[in-house]
Amino acid sequence: AQSVTQLDSQVPVFEEAPVELRCNYSSSVSVYLFWYVQYPNQGLQLLLKYLSGSTLVKGINGFEAEFNKSQTSFHLRKPSVHISDTAEYFCAVKWRGAQKLVFGQGTRLTINP
Amino acid sequence: AAGVIQSPRHLIKEKRETATLKCYPIPRHDTVYWYQQGPGQDPQFLISFYEKMQSDKGSIPDRFSAQQFSDYHSELNMSSLELGDSALYFCASSWDLRKNTGELFFGEGSRLTVL
Repeated sequence: AQSVTQLDSQVPVFEEAPVELRCNYSSSVSVYLFWYVQYPNQGLQLLLKYLSGSTLVKGINGFEAEFNKSQTSFHLRKPSVHISDTAEYFCAVKWRGAQKLVFGQGTRLTINP
Repeated sequence: AAGVIQSPRHLIKEKRETATLKCYPIPRHDTVYWYQQGPGQDPQFLISFYEKMQSDKGSIPDRFSAQQFSDYHSELNMSSLELGDSALYFCASSWDLRKNTGELFFGEGSRLTVL
């Protein structure tokens, strides 16, 4: 079955520290990869996406992610986080030929001053 | 730019009542998706429509039904509501993802509380 796994349910970091949120998916066939952010009591906002081309993709708010086909991973990184980055982050995958997105379980990023 | 519009944003119902959520996709998008996000959970796919026809079905209970109308807006009807139906319901729209690699554009969600 196609699945998306976010290994960390919660990640606490200090402000201005780097962060990596991990995402792995179940199959290495052609995929399109997305990271969404959800601020408290708000909807889902696209951070970045990988469709093809360079495996390193840059998104909004200084985030970037790297597609690793051999490891079926799409980890999200930011070199220096800010208090305003406190939110829930969801990795999502669309397998080629499928219509829907499958979401990971989410990672709650908490930034401590 | 126009976004996905969902209404109502908040809804409170009693058990066994019926609720209807509405979704207005981004203009020219032909595909609508419904997701359910329980407290502390990831969004779970319920159902999708392409050109007014059901195109995919996920974990949608039999008590729920949905349709897409000629103007591409969609409605999610939920009957015999249970406490466990309390959740944030997201609608998203896109061009047909089977043909495009584009992203889903999500609405702000409708928060249903069942008492």
